[in-house]
Order: sequence, then structure tokens, then C-alpha cells
Amino acid sequence: DIVLTQTPLSSPVTLGQPASISCRSSQSLVHDDVNTYLSWLQQRPGQPPRLLFYKISNRVSGVPDRFSGSGAGTDFTLKISRVEAEDVGVYYCMLGTQFPHRNTFGQGTKLVI
Amino acid sequence: QLQLVQSGAEVKKPGSSFNISCETSGGTFPNYAITWVRQAPGQGLEWIGGIFPVFATANYAQKFQGRVTITADENTDLSYLNLYNLRSDDTAMYYCARGRSFGELSYWGQGTLLSVSS
Repeated sequence: DIVLTQTPLSSPVTLGQPASISCRSSQSLVHDDVNTYLSWLQQRPGQPPRLLFYKISNRVSGVPDRFSGSGAGTDFTLKISRVEAEDVGVYYCMLGTQFPHRNTFGQGTKLVI
Repeated sequence: QLQLVQSGAEVKKPGSSFNISCETSGGTFPNYAITWVRQAPGQGLEWIGGIFPVFATANYAQKFQGRVTITADENTDLSYLNLYNLRSDDTAMYYCARGRSFGELSYWGQGTLLSVSS
């Protein structure tokens, strides 16, 4: 089974400064159909998760452009160019494939101000 | 706008069964994937299984095989999660999520808290 490993698990950040979260897969995430179904989720305290990016870098409507997703193969990164107070929460990378259907999550990275 | 509304919190005894619903409002989306995920207190997200209502065949994480059933009605866009033979470590928040694919889960329910205790 594919394992997603996030680093760091906790990230102290300063408001206005950049932040970066890494997600590394135990094997290439390039699917047979050439797509890479790696997503990023944000979970604010007491809230359900929220999708930020799908297929590595496709930003969901309403996600601020200070967030960016990048990477390929086995290494992926979520970056925040300038952290704001509302960005506090836990960030998860997620693999979601259809054939076969499987969702795999990273352990989560807690962003703390 | 698609919205997901889940049924309310439940308290169950070990060995019993648990059933929660996930109702989609804002239209019917039989071609949208439905995934069920849980989150134990203070822990990360754990995939339980999922289904495409139009295909009506669910897939489950190996950990839950034989102890879980996920169903979906393509006409009503209701999905159900049934978990059997509950244990104390099933205590968690359970979420349904939907999207155009299992990798694009754009919509999440508010969560349903299950507490399992004798």
C-alpha cells in the first residue's frame, strides 16, 4: 500500500512569513491515466476538512492565491507565501484514486502561529 | 450549490451497530463520488470506503472489510454508512465527502460524532 509521509508534523510560523509542507509518497503517484491524484486539505479547529488543491496544483475556487501546490512523482509541496491568522489548522495531503478506489491520507501537519 | 448534511451524534455500546446518513442538497449528483472518512479524537483522517451512486458498488479499506457497509441511492442522493460490532476505538467523528472523483472531494458534511462506551 502507498504511504504518504508529511513533514514537518508541526510547523511554528510567524504571521506574514512563508510556510511550506512536504508530502512524500512511498511510490510514484502517477496513475495509469497519466494524472496524479494528489490533493491538499485544510482542517481548521473544530471544522470538517476543506479541499484546497486537487491533482497537485489545481486550486479550488475560493482558496487564496497565497496558497500553492506543486510537485511530481513522489514529492509534493504545499506552500503559503504569507501566513495569515486564518491559516491555523492541520493540513493533509491525500491520494484519491478511482480504479481501484482508494483514499490515503498523510498524517497531517499542524500549522501553529 | 451542493451541500452535505449528516445525521446526528450517537452513543452506542460495544458490539452494537451504527448507521448514519449523508444527505445531499442542491440537486442530485449520481456521478459524484461519495467517500466516508473518520477522525478519532486528536488524530488524523482515516479512509473507510466509498461509492459512486450511479454504479452502486462500494469499496472499503481492508481494515473495515466485513464490518462496514456503504450504500447510496442515485435517485435520492442519500448515502448511508453502517458499521457493525462496534468497539471503543470506533469512537470518532465520521465525515462524508463528495466530489467529481475520489481525488477531488470538494464537499464535506459537518461530521457525526460516534461514542462507543459500555
